[in-house]
Amino acid sequence: EIVLTQSPTTMAASPGEKVTITCRASSSVSYMHWFQQKSGTSPKPWIYDTSKLASGVPDRFSGSGSGTSYSLTISSMEAEDAATYYCLQRSSYPWTFGGGTKLELK
Amino acid sequence: EVQLQESGPGLVKPSQSLSLTCSVTGYSITSSYRWNWIRKFPGNKLEWMGYINSAGSTNYNPSLKSRISITRDTSKNQFFLQVNSVTTEDTATYYCARQTTGIPFAYWGQGTLVTVSS
Repeated sequence: EIVLTQSPTTMAASPGEKVTITCRASSSVSYMHWFQQKSGTSPKPWIYDTSKLASGVPDRFSGSGSGTSYSLTISSMEAEDAATYYCLQRSSYPWTFGGGTKLELK
Repeated sequence: EVQLQESGPGLVKPSQSLSLTCSVTGYSITSSYRWNWIRKFPGNKLEWMGYINSAGSTNYNPSLKSRISITRDTSKNQFFLQVNSVTTEDTATYYCARQTTGIPFAYWGQGTLVTVSS
């Protein structure tokens, strides 16, 4: 099983601040996918195939990476970005999620 | 647009079976795609449990060993989750979800909380 380790686990960012969330895989994966979840709602696809933005995702978000190291970046934090973000790998079974990064507004 | 909705008991006793239904509208589960079950534990960890594809084949997370079964009723456009011999560690919010081309888990149900307790 491929283990995904996200860092940081929690963080707070001020409006306008650049944010980077990292996801490290225990073995190489072909792509990484990201989901955003807010309290009381279902996860939403956010970034897929490492760097493609899902429908409706603001372009201040970006994704990058390869092999065992991937990241999600927000160029300029906004209040609506406060949420928990999860990475997901589907390169091998079982598909696995990272532990999540809770992003709060400072 | 495709919509998914989970339903089932919110409370299950230890050692019993957990059974949930995912009702799908807007798309036939026999047309294409994989139809998944995912759960979120109280500590916020997400776990992919398994799927049934449009042909009826299944794939399960080995962590659930032989306790899990995903089946379907094509006449009702529903698919089901059964987890046997549950413990308190199976307490979670359970989601059904479907991919779309390129996007894993593009569509989700609203989730249903299942508590395992005596």
